[in-house]
Amino acid sequence: EAGVAQSPRYKIIEKRQSVAFWCNPISGHATLYWYQQILGQGPKLLIQFQNNGVVDDSQLPKDRFSAERLKGVDSTLKIQPAKLEDSAVYLCASSSRLAWQSGETQYFGPGTRLLVL
Amino acid sequence: AQSVTQPDIHITVSEGASLELRCNYSYGATPYLFWYVQSPGQGLQLLLKYFSGDTLVQGIKGFEAEFKRSQSSFNLRKPSVHWSDAAEYFCAVGPNTNAGKSTFGDGTTLTVKP
Repeated sequence: EAGVAQSPRYKIIEKRQSVAFWCNPISGHATLYWYQQILGQGPKLLIQFQNNGVVDDSQLPKDRFSAERLKGVDSTLKIQPAKLEDSAVYLCASSSRLAWQSGETQYFGPGTRLLVL
Repeated sequence: AQSVTQPDIHITVSEGASLELRCNYSYGATPYLFWYVQSPGQGLQLLLKYFSGDTLVQGIKGFEAEFKRSQSSFNLRKPSVHWSDAAEYFCAVGPNTNAGKSTFGDGTTLTVKP
């Protein structure tokens, strides 16, 4: 079974530029998560989708970050404009149901490492 | 608010020695508890999880963890460490209700000496 796919793996941009990350979850997984992992810290949940609806985006900086999950499968996360403090690894994960409500396992992709100069 | 503390930022053990990584959590009720491992350049992989029943949980790669409600702890253990266990380990807590969100600790980096 294919795992969670993410692209690109690495991205370097100048501050104030825009950037987009793509995630393809495990086939059939209804729930998709985007996390931000700053160096030296644990992952922080940015947004959580159930199918193509948003379940929780309370920690998403909505003035510059946006995410969508069209047709309840693939998802994109965008940053516009980027700031220096956005340098981090952006992890995508998926699960068959809402993981935290049922102890369901989340499966993580390899992440996209973003460096903002 | 829920929180997770991993007191040890970095631990070094010799290959073949035993390992214990500490995790303390703060949560109003019995939470779901997880341990993940992250190798360089990789995503997180679930080692084990606890959400009810036996407080000693067995996981993959020979790891186990014990939930101690009185100490609000969920420490990860392995009796004999292998060089391939060198990685970063994250403890996480999740709600067992429809409210709340997941929280990860800041991780413990494990180095294994030959």
